[in-house]
Amino acid sequence: DAGVTQSPTHLIKTRGQQVTLRCSPKSGHDTVSWYQQALGQGPQFIFQYYEEEERQRGNFPDRFSGHQFPNYSSELNVNALLLGDSALYLCASSLSLAGGRLYNEQFFGPGTRLTVL
Amino acid sequence: AQSVTQLDSQVPVFEEAPVELRCNYSSSVSVYLFWYVQYPNQGLQLLLKYLSGSTLVKGINGFEAEFNKSQTSFHLRKPSVHISDTAEYFCAVSEGGSGGGADGLTFGKGTHLIIQP
Repeated sequence: DAGVTQSPTHLIKTRGQQVTLRCSPKSGHDTVSWYQQALGQGPQFIFQYYEEEERQRGNFPDRFSGHQFPNYSSELNVNALLLGDSALYLCASSLSLAGGRLYNEQFFGPGTRLTVL
Repeated sequence: AQSVTQLDSQVPVFEEAPVELRCNYSSSVSVYLFWYVQYPNQGLQLLLKYLSGSTLVKGINGFEAEFNKSQTSFHLRKPSVHISDTAEYFCAVSEGGSGGGADGLTFGKGTHLIIQP
């Protein structure tokens, strides 16, 4: 059973460019969350997608956008890159709370390391 | 809004000695609490979680944590550490209660556990 996969592993961009990161959730999961982890910091929640819609959003500007496809995979897009966008971007998948579950455990992928020069 | 404070950025401890990693949280509502571990160049792995019930929670790899509502703490402990426990440890919180388990996680800045031979 494949876990959460992310691509690419590493990426180097220059300021002002745009980037797209991809995530495939764990088999059977329908919810995808994205986090940004700056060097030496804890992950920060960007947004969560469920049923192809953004369900919840953290404190990130509109330059950060996403998409979820019918197969539950997801993309994170960042426009007009800034030096401060350099970070490890983590994707986490989970199963929705339908069915009365108390909590949907989030399973994390290995991340995409983005460097903005 | 929720917040998490991990009081120690780095904790050195000798192999086979006990360790405690401290975590305090702030929230105006009921919460779910988590500890994650991150090994170098990897994503996050869930160690344990507190949703409700017994305040002493046991997790994987011999770790346990105790939820203390009056002190708003969720400290992680292990009675005897091994070299393989060297990693970054993150405490996280999400809003509890009905439907709250779907929320994005708020993480602390992490504690680097260094095991000395």
